[in-house]
Amino acid sequence: ILNVEQSPQSLHVQEGDSTNFTCSFPSSNFYALHWYRWETAKSPEALFVMTLNGDEKKKGRISATLNTKEGYSYLYIKGSQPEDSATYLCASNPGNQFYFGTGTSLTVIP
Amino acid sequence: ETGVTQTPRHLVMGMTNKKSLKCEQHLGHNAMYWYKQSAKKPLELMFVYNFKEQTENNSVPSRFSPECPNSSHLFLHLHTLQPEDSALYLCASSQVGQSYNEQFFGPGTRLTVL
Repeated sequence: ILNVEQSPQSLHVQEGDSTNFTCSFPSSNFYALHWYRWETAKSPEALFVMTLNGDEKKKGRISATLNTKEGYSYLYIKGSQPEDSATYLCASNPGNQFYFGTGTSLTVIP
Repeated sequence: ETGVTQTPRHLVMGMTNKKSLKCEQHLGHNAMYWYKQSAKKPLELMFVYNFKEQTENNSVPSRFSPECPNSSHLFLHLHTLQPEDSALYLCASSQVGQSYNEQFFGPGTRLTVL
């Protein structure tokens, strides 16, 4: 079993604030790190697949970085909007099996 | 829309009932998965099917019985469940060997066992 940890567990920010959260994973046998956005009552939606140390990916106001040597990834949201409210999950898959963190629940207050 | 659908979305059943959860993927993938999510816990892999063959069974009790009749459909048959089996059950699919096995999820079935 791979131990994937996310912090913080939950976060409340004001609309317009920028925020970031962390995913930690074992750095040995690293293959890929996945970020998902999960709104209540909907399917988790893939945001990024990150594979190379130093990778930085961006989708609109959301970006992510990866450090495979120390085993962490950051997700950043710039200028948070109420529609960004969701749970953000990360998962590491050293092979075919995914190991998920417990997620960071983000609430953006208008 | 992720291309993975699940029915029903909500299910309430007694401990002596038998019910089934259904998952269908429209993505042409060759692998399908069942996950369980209990409150405050990470998504927990239950079963994996690659090319319709079960390749993983993560010590799941026999009261959960998966079935994969073809690469697009996956069922989870439930019988004599316990209240602690109440959880969100998610289905996912992927194309093994592509995009680092990126998984696409359905919206889940919220199961309550009385």
